[in-house]
Amino acid sequence: SQQGEEDPQALSIQEGENATMNCSYKTSINNLQWYRQNSGRGLVHLILIRSNEREKHSGRLRVTLDTSKKSSSLLITASRAADTASYFCATDDSSNTGKLIFGQGTTLQVKP
Amino acid sequence: EPEVTQTPSHQVTQMGQEVILRCVPISNHLYFYWYRQILGQKVEFLVSFYNNEISEKSEIFDDQFSVERPDGSNFTLKIRSTKLEDSAMYFCASSAQGSTEAFFGQGTRLTVV
Repeated sequence: SQQGEEDPQALSIQEGENATMNCSYKTSINNLQWYRQNSGRGLVHLILIRSNEREKHSGRLRVTLDTSKKSSSLLITASRAADTASYFCATDDSSNTGKLIFGQGTTLQVKP
Repeated sequence: EPEVTQTPSHQVTQMGQEVILRCVPISNHLYFYWYRQILGQKVEFLVSFYNNEISEKSEIFDDQFSVERPDGSNFTLKIRSTKLEDSAMYFCASSAQGSTEAFFGQGTRLTVV
């Protein structure tokens, strides 16, 4: 698989449920970032987790990072219809140029 | 809240024409980037720019592409002779450092006809 592969590709849940999306990557990283993209719109930065961190919270978002497994997860708790979007993980390549490598994304649909 | 702004939001151009996509990064950021996203596909890195020069570029960023920071605020992407396959959403991004959060603009949808 390529750097920054998410699964599942698509996820459909009811409002109020939790949504978990996973991301795997292949190379060493400085950090991993999660972004949200509403249909046809720009990328909104959600959270950054550094390679020496294991878990990070921001509001209803919880991100974990397991560098031994080269994987990360994004948990959205108590989902809302407004959370409907595509979610991407992006990794740097530890070159410090800031280049990000994006995965294919998970399309999340939250039904009211 | 500071944000990255891109203009135009949508550009339609004829094949073979030159286009310039414009971006105003966040004012105290030092690293600037262009990415593109072909419809239905993932976001792809094009180029990173720091200290008035390209720091890294991808295979996509061939001789038809160039970037410029003509003044203290704008960051532009030029495509010299557009091809049909250049049709995509182009995103500009900036970050304070190379290993910090990158903030993206809303994108310019380029349609080559």
